[in-house]
Amino acid sequence: EPEVTQTPSHQVTQMGQEVILRCVPISNHLYFYWYRQILGQKVEFLVSFYNNEISEKSEIFDDQFSVERPDGSNFTLKIRSTKLEDSAMYFCASRKSLIPPYEQYFGPGTRLTVT
Amino acid sequence: AQSVSQHNHHVILSEAASLELGCNYSYGGTVNLFWYVQYPGQHLQLLLKYFSGDPLVKGIKGFEAEFIKSKFSFNLRKPSVQWSDTAEYFCAVIPSSNTGKLIFGQGTTLQVKP
Repeated sequence: EPEVTQTPSHQVTQMGQEVILRCVPISNHLYFYWYRQILGQKVEFLVSFYNNEISEKSEIFDDQFSVERPDGSNFTLKIRSTKLEDSAMYFCASRKSLIPPYEQYFGPGTRLTVT
Repeated sequence: AQSVSQHNHHVILSEAASLELGCNYSYGGTVNLFWYVQYPGQHLQLLLKYFSGDPLVKGIKGFEAEFIKSKFSFNLRKPSVQWSDTAEYFCAVIPSSNTGKLIFGQGTTLQVKP
């Protein structure tokens, strides 16, 4: 069964550094998402992406964040200058269509630790 | 504020006990409803979903959920839990938006004692 993959599984970085989290969505999916989960808190929506542009973003997704689908298969989340509070699990998800009953499929997540 | 609420943060049950996890949402209009499960060390998996039709939906692993529109609820149930059901359970809603974003509840940790 096709699945969403994410790399790396764990990333440790120093405050102020740039990080890029990578995702490979399911190949025939058209809608892509990033979510994050700070330890002990709920999963939060960050951004949705369709047709090579952001379709919606949350308040969390400020100018430090950017997303890109550089080559038609990868979907990346970049954090330009990481802060301690960016430490979280980041999940990528993809969806074939917005029409029910299509659902989102999640990747295994990247645990980002900012020191 | 619009939100998804899960009433139980941590539930401990013995095997064979019945389970009901509460979920309420505060979005108006048409919503799509989901329950996801996250087993230790694994990624989020869909347990079941409701888009329309029969408000009692059956999912994988013997789980079911009932959509009660008047109560804005979508409670998850299982008649008899197993040790392997130990996991974190998330209720999620897609409000009427055109991007399909999921709004999650805070999650319920279920611990099943053998």
